[in-house]
Amino acid sequence: QVQLVESGGGVVQPGRSLRLSCTASGFTFSSYGMYWVRQAPGKGLEWVAVIWYDGSIKYYVDSVKGRFTISRDDSKNTLYLQMDSLRVEDTAFYYCARDVGVVAAHLDYWGQGTLVSVSS
Amino acid sequence: DIVMTQTPLSLSVTPGQPASISCKSSQSLLHSDGKTYFYWYLQKPGQPPQLLIYEVSNRFSGVPDRFSGSGSGTDFTLKISRVEAEDVGIYYCMQSTQFPRITFGPGTKVDIK
Repeated sequence: QVQLVESGGGVVQPGRSLRLSCTASGFTFSSYGMYWVRQAPGKGLEWVAVIWYDGSIKYYVDSVKGRFTISRDDSKNTLYLQMDSLRVEDTAFYYCARDVGVVAAHLDYWGQGTLVSVSS
Repeated sequence: DIVMTQTPLSLSVTPGQPASISCKSSQSLLHSDGKTYFYWYLQKPGQPPQLLIYEVSNRFSGVPDRFSGSGSGTDFTLKISRVEAEDVGIYYCMQSTQFPRITFGPGTKVDIK
């Protein structure tokens, strides 16, 4: 069965960096695009970044452009989110999600999430 | 970005009774390819969102048939024919017609009376 497991979250000071990982199993990882979506505690959902199945195209929400980098290592079935220059407002649960869409996003499975807390 | 709004924002339902949630988008979700990329998710307490309905009216694998989706253009509805205790949580609508800039509604919290 499809499984996505995030890791790498934690407490970090503003301005510092963190790298999140999302390890996939139960499907051919290299065939699918992947999203990172975040959710501030008690708040709604916000897409953060997306990477094409082959890694050729990446998009970011405006608030993280230039600070976050999405990448993937298909040999390890792993998706990454490098987060630099973290801000208090980046505090959230970060979920990875598989995109099975062809023309538009169709997020069918999500990981359990990892919590990033940015605080001084 | 396309803005999604949901009503109501909270709903308390007696088990066995129906429930309905509305979602409206700030612009039409009809894609140039003729499809409408509109989705419903349920986030149960302490869990990630789980897909319920895709492309307006298609139930995802394993989703009970008491859940149904309908709508077109800018107006969409999720109906639960008979609410069960396991249906509690927050329901989110999502659009991906403006891919990759997907957007979600604010969520509708459903609990049991």
